[in-house]
Amino acid sequence: NAGVTQTPKFQVLKTGQSMTLQCAQDMNHNSMYWYRQDPGMGLRLIYYSASEGTTDKGEVPNGYNVSRLNKREFSLRLESAAPSQTSVYFCASGRLNTEAFFGQGTRLTVV
Amino acid sequence: GNSVTQMEGPVTLSEEAFLTINCTYTATGYPSLFWYVQYPGEGLQLLLKATKADDKGSNKGFEATYRKETTSFHLEKGSVQVSDSAVYFCALSDQSNTGKLIFGQGTTLQVKP
Repeated sequence: NAGVTQTPKFQVLKTGQSMTLQCAQDMNHNSMYWYRQDPGMGLRLIYYSASEGTTDKGEVPNGYNVSRLNKREFSLRLESAAPSQTSVYFCASGRLNTEAFFGQGTRLTVV
Repeated sequence: GNSVTQMEGPVTLSEEAFLTINCTYTATGYPSLFWYVQYPGEGLQLLLKATKADDKGSNKGFEATYRKETTSFHLEKGSVQVSDSAVYFCALSDQSNTGKLIFGQGTTLQVKP
């Protein structure tokens, strides 16, 4: 079982460049999430999707967009990267009011 | 709104010492509560959970009890090992129809031989 798979694992961008982080889950979960992790800040929710075809903003959505392509896949896009978006990004999936399962993370550096 | 507060780290212990990491929460209703662990360079793994008041979650020698009266879910282990060195996150499940998790800031544990 692959669980939650994120790509890429590492990425370096120049300010102003764009990129898409990919996430796929094989656990048939309805809900999927994108978090960012910064030192001393814990994990902060960027966007989430409670079901296929729906997406909603989380705590820190500015500068990001998402697409729930189908039940399995949930992508995160940075249209114009900024140094403040340097972070570790985690995708997760889960069912209502149960634990979430996390991918291995994408370490993004914006220079 | 819902929130989670953890004790600040880092916490440094000697092997076989007793561990407590405090976690308190603010929430309406009856959220589910979780402890996650993150080893260096890895994603988050569920360590244990509790879904209602007075439930005790346990795994790998770690325990936490859901205390509604004190809105707490403190993590404990009787005898830590070097391999327990990691970052520990307390979280609650939003009781809305999304199930999203709200995390504390994380506590780094370092265990020395």
